[in-house]
Amino acid sequence: GAGVSQSPSNKVTEKGKDVELRCDPISGHTALYWYRQSLGQGLEFLIYFQGNSAPDKSGLPSDRFSAERTGGSVSTLTIQRTQQEDSAVYLCASSLAQGRIGTEAFFGQGTRLTVV
Amino acid sequence: GDSVTQMEGPVTLSEEAFLTINCTYTATGYPSLFWYVQYPGEGLQLLLKATKADDKGSNKGFEATYRKETTSFHLEKGSVQVSDSAVYFCALTGTASKLTFGTGTRLQVTL
Repeated sequence: GAGVSQSPSNKVTEKGKDVELRCDPISGHTALYWYRQSLGQGLEFLIYFQGNSAPDKSGLPSDRFSAERTGGSVSTLTIQRTQQEDSAVYLCASSLAQGRIGTEAFFGQGTRLTVV
Repeated sequence: GDSVTQMEGPVTLSEEAFLTINCTYTATGYPSLFWYVQYPGEGLQLLLKATKADDKGSNKGFEATYRKETTSFHLEKGSVQVSDSAVYFCALTGTASKLTFGTGTRLQVTL
């Protein structure tokens, strides 16, 4: 596709349920990032993929959070047993990784998750 | 590890005022530096970038110069407009191409 696509755009879930958030990066982009943005807050790094591997998953808040990427393309962020503090906008971005001469990252519109 | 520090907001300015948003970084080697902007209700988008020391990135009247000696990448605009009201994020890609953001600075421009 032309840009980074995230689905769903909005998700309301009950506390304790599991959710899956999907990110479809720009074709050919090897780097993929997940961030979380709470209301009025900055960008909280969650995890970074280079191809299918995750060199840095240090930002995942707890073991309820996991992410995978298959075929060097689509990525899924899974939150198990959701809690109200998980409510936020989850942003995905992708870029062509060229070592330290980094090209820009392109962001999706995000998934707004509300846990009730 | 890599990190980015930017000034706390919100920054409130009158239209046509001069803008500076400070950004400093910590990284090994020679990172690439970016400013991203998030307008109200919209997604993040790249504003400008610089990939080596002394480079100046510019776009939409905004400028930032890559200063390796001071590890800084301050964002400036000579005359802000109401339409510049947004959240501005400084960022870098360093080792292993990981993209690291600052906490963001909210700019509010009033008439």
